[in-house]
Amino acid sequence: NAGVTQTPKFQVLKTGQSMTLQCAQDMNHNSMYWYRQDPGMGLRLIYYSASEGTTDKGEVPNGYNVSRLNKREFSLRLESAAPSQTSVYFCASSEDRARETQYFGPGTRLLVL
Amino acid sequence: QKEVEQNSGPLSVPEGAIASLNCTYSDRGSQSFFWYRQYSGKSPELIMSIYSNGDKEDGRFTAQLNKASQYVSLLIRDSQPSDSATYLCAFRRGGGNKLTFGTGTQLKVEL
Repeated sequence: NAGVTQTPKFQVLKTGQSMTLQCAQDMNHNSMYWYRQDPGMGLRLIYYSASEGTTDKGEVPNGYNVSRLNKREFSLRLESAAPSQTSVYFCASSEDRARETQYFGPGTRLLVL
Repeated sequence: QKEVEQNSGPLSVPEGAIASLNCTYSDRGSQSFFWYRQYSGKSPELIMSIYSNGDKEDGRFTAQLNKASQYVSLLIRDSQPSDSATYLCAFRRGGGNKLTFGTGTQLKVEL
């Protein structure tokens, strides 16, 4: 039981390049989330998916898109990376709305030059 | 006013002492409260959740919630060097999926 996995662990992009961050969970959770963490800013929600087939914007969605591919997988895409998107990205999942314990993946460190 | 406020620290305590971490929130619709621990370079992990006023104890950890005063605190008894980490508080509004996180308090437990 791997929990929440994320790929890649680290990525360097040039401004304007695109990439997709992958997230998968094997806990049969309904809800999945993407956060970014910046120094002094805490964890900020980018997008979330309450259940398979639904996605909603969080606090900082601009510049990102998401896909809930199936119950297990939730990907985050940067279409045209900007230096302001340099951050650590965490994926999380939770069982359902009533039980809000969120389990986090190991994170992806992204550097945009 | 920030939705969640935490003192960034660092908070330094000697080994064996009680560490007290505090968090205030502005949203009176908040119903669920959480404390996460995050070691440097690692992901957050849940250590406590609390939903009603009063104290909740789990081993060396005690979470305290006061909804009237809009604060939640975490006490760590018999602090160990392995407790050195950043502690994030978070809350969830009633009926919503989303958690709002504070910026975290760095705790250092010194030998």
